[in-house]
Amino acid sequence: GAGVSQSPSNKVTEKGKDVELRCDPISGHTALYWYRQSLGQGLEFLIYFQGNSAPDKSGLPSDRFSAERTGGSVSTLTIQRTQQEDSAVYLCASSRYIKGYEQYFGPGTRLTVT
Amino acid sequence: AQTVTQSQPEMSVQEAETVTLSCTYDTSESDYYLFWYKQPPSRQMILVIRQEAYKQQNATENRFSVNFQKAAKSFSLKISDSQLGDAAMYFCAYSITQGGSEKLVFGKGTKLTVNP
Repeated sequence: GAGVSQSPSNKVTEKGKDVELRCDPISGHTALYWYRQSLGQGLEFLIYFQGNSAPDKSGLPSDRFSAERTGGSVSTLTIQRTQQEDSAVYLCASSRYIKGYEQYFGPGTRLTVT
Repeated sequence: AQTVTQSQPEMSVQEAETVTLSCTYDTSESDYYLFWYKQPPSRQMILVIRQEAYKQQNATENRFSVNFQKAAKSFSLKISDSQLGDAAMYFCAYSITQGGSEKLVFGKGTKLTVNP
């Protein structure tokens, strides 16, 4: 079946602009995750959704970051007023179950802020 | 603090040989799960192997096996009969539930080169 897909694959934006990153999880996967991968910070967790609900948003780096998930499926990560330090690869993952089950990752979106 | 340490930023191995990647972790939880993920240049993270912390038996998946030492909080990955396609970044991780969120905590990764 289809895996996790993310769009766009690459995004170049000017500092101060808003961007939206999209994630389509595997059908039937109730859990969805966003991670950020950068040279300086490695892989860091951003947010987790169970269904449409995110129990804890403290992993988001600043209040410029927000995320939502609708219909228990597609998720959007929005970054407002982008800064150069936001440049990174944003990875989305989904899993059928939680608590130690495999997370299936998408190919990521490479964001470059100029 | 919840941390994962991969002490080898880079490793190399000859094709058909065996290589071991190291990982140590620190968690106060008693029930957790450990993973090795592979990330080739395509960026797609792929699960290599998974270990349940309550199981003493080491997990094995074909040419990949782990040496899980719970008391030492060590979780090394052994790749036997290395193949050119094994070249990638390898990340050690464990899953925890924190603040109602389920998440993976990753190490910094080990870049594996396979020489023909």
